[in-house]
Amino acid sequence: DAKTTQPTSMDCAEGRAANLPCNHSTISGNEYVYWYRQIHSQGPQYIIHGLKNNETNEMASLIITEDRKSSTLILPHATLRDTAVYYCIVRVANSGGYQKVTFGTGTKLQVIP
Amino acid sequence: EAQVTQNPRYLITVTGKKLTVTCSQNMNHEYMSWYRQDPGLGLRQIYYSMNVEVTDKGDVPEGYKVSRKEKRNFPLILESPSPNQTSLYFCASSTGQGSPEAFFGQGTRLTVV
Repeated sequence: DAKTTQPTSMDCAEGRAANLPCNHSTISGNEYVYWYRQIHSQGPQYIIHGLKNNETNEMASLIITEDRKSSTLILPHATLRDTAVYYCIVRVANSGGYQKVTFGTGTKLQVIP
Repeated sequence: EAQVTQNPRYLITVTGKKLTVTCSQNMNHEYMSWYRQDPGLGLRQIYYSMNVEVTDKGDVPEGYKVSRKEKRNFPLILESPSPNQTSLYFCASSTGQGSPEAFFGQGTRLTVV
C-alpha cells in the first residue's frame, strides 16, 4: 500500500470548514483513498473513500487532485464533536481478497469554539 | 443495531496469566481483524481472518493467538501476557471484497503488570 503524509495537527474554528490535506505521491492506479477518524480513544470510524472523482456523503467531501497525488477531506461546518484524529489511507479495493488497512498517526483536528 | 462488541472494555492483569478478549459482530461479516494502538505508533494490525477457520498474521502477531470457529466471533488470546502488551485493542469487521474496515469495536484497554 502507498504511504501517506498528513500534518500532525490542525485547528479549525467552530462553524468553519475544516480542510484536512493528505499527500500520497506514490499511489498506484488501482488504489483508493480512504478517510477514517477516531474520536478520543473510541474505535475508528469510516468517513469516505474515492478513486479519482470527488465524493460527498452526509459526513464530508473528498477532493482528489487530478494527478491523484494528494487529497483533501472537507468537513463543511466543523463542530466541537468533529475534534478527532483523522487518518488518510490508500489501498487497493475490490480485489476479491482481504485488504488490510494500515493506519499511520493521522492529523489531530482541534475544533475551537 | 449493527455493531462490533468487545469485552471486557478494561482489564488489568498480571504477567503470565492467560486472558481472552472477546469480539462479536452481528452483521454476518466475513472479515474480522484485531489491532493494537500505542501512543505515537497509530493502529497496528495483529491478526485478521477472512472467514471461518481462515486466519493470518498481521504486522505484530507475536504473543497473540486468535481463532475463528464461528463467523460472528473472533477472540484474541494472550497465552502469557507481558507488560509490553499493555495497550488499547480494537476489533474490526468488514464485508470483504475489498470493502473498508467499516466497523470497529469500542476498544479494550489492557494493562499488564
